[in-house]
Amino acid sequence: DIQMTQSPSSLSASVGDRVTITCRASQGISNFLAWYQQKPGKVPKLLIYAAATLQSGVPSRFSGSGSGTDFTLTISSLQPEDVATYYCQNLNSAPLTFGGGTKVEIK
Amino acid sequence: QVQLVESGGGVVQPGRSLRLSCAPSGFSFSSFAMHWVRQAPGKGPEWVTLISYDGSNKYYADSVKGRFTISRDNSKNTLSLQMNSLRADDTAVYYCARGATGWELLLDHWGQGTLVTVSS
Repeated sequence: DIQMTQSPSSLSASVGDRVTITCRASQGISNFLAWYQQKPGKVPKLLIYAAATLQSGVPSRFSGSGSGTDFTLTISSLQPEDVATYYCQNLNSAPLTFGGGTKVEIK
Repeated sequence: QVQLVESGGGVVQPGRSLRLSCAPSGFSFSSFAMHWVRQAPGKGPEWVTLISYDGSNKYYADSVKGRFTISRDNSKNTLSLQMNSLRADDTAVYYCARGATGWELLLDHWGQGTLVTVSS
């Protein structure tokens, strides 16, 4: 199974800051990676797929990059509504695997 | 709009069985792969199982293989998860999720979830 490792596990940043979350796959998965956002008490929501393609309706301050084993989710200017836990997910093959999550808070 | 509504959760004793259902609407159910994903309290999502659009292919996480069975009835627009030999570590919110068009491993819509608690 492909293991997904995220870092950091949590972060605190100020409104307007640039925030970067990383995800590493245990083996190469090309660009077969998705990012999900889960706000407190809510259902996970698809943000980005194919490593860099924004899902419809997702604000442009979110962006994704990477290929192979190393991937990045960036929030260019953190907003209060971005408080959430973010998960990466392997899309290469079953079993689907998720990263451990990165909890983003406002300082 | 796409909606997925889960039902069937509850409290069940270890070793017993439970059947979850998912009622889709707002899209052509028979054209999409479907998944069950669970999330234990305070933990991240864990993929459980996938069924292809026509039911011909099914995949399971090792943690549930041999105990859980996914099925679908495209004529009745229903997705089901039969869970047998339940254990305490199966306690979680169970979500049904749709596989995206042309990319069945991508979960583009999720239901609100149904809570399963395994406890004596």
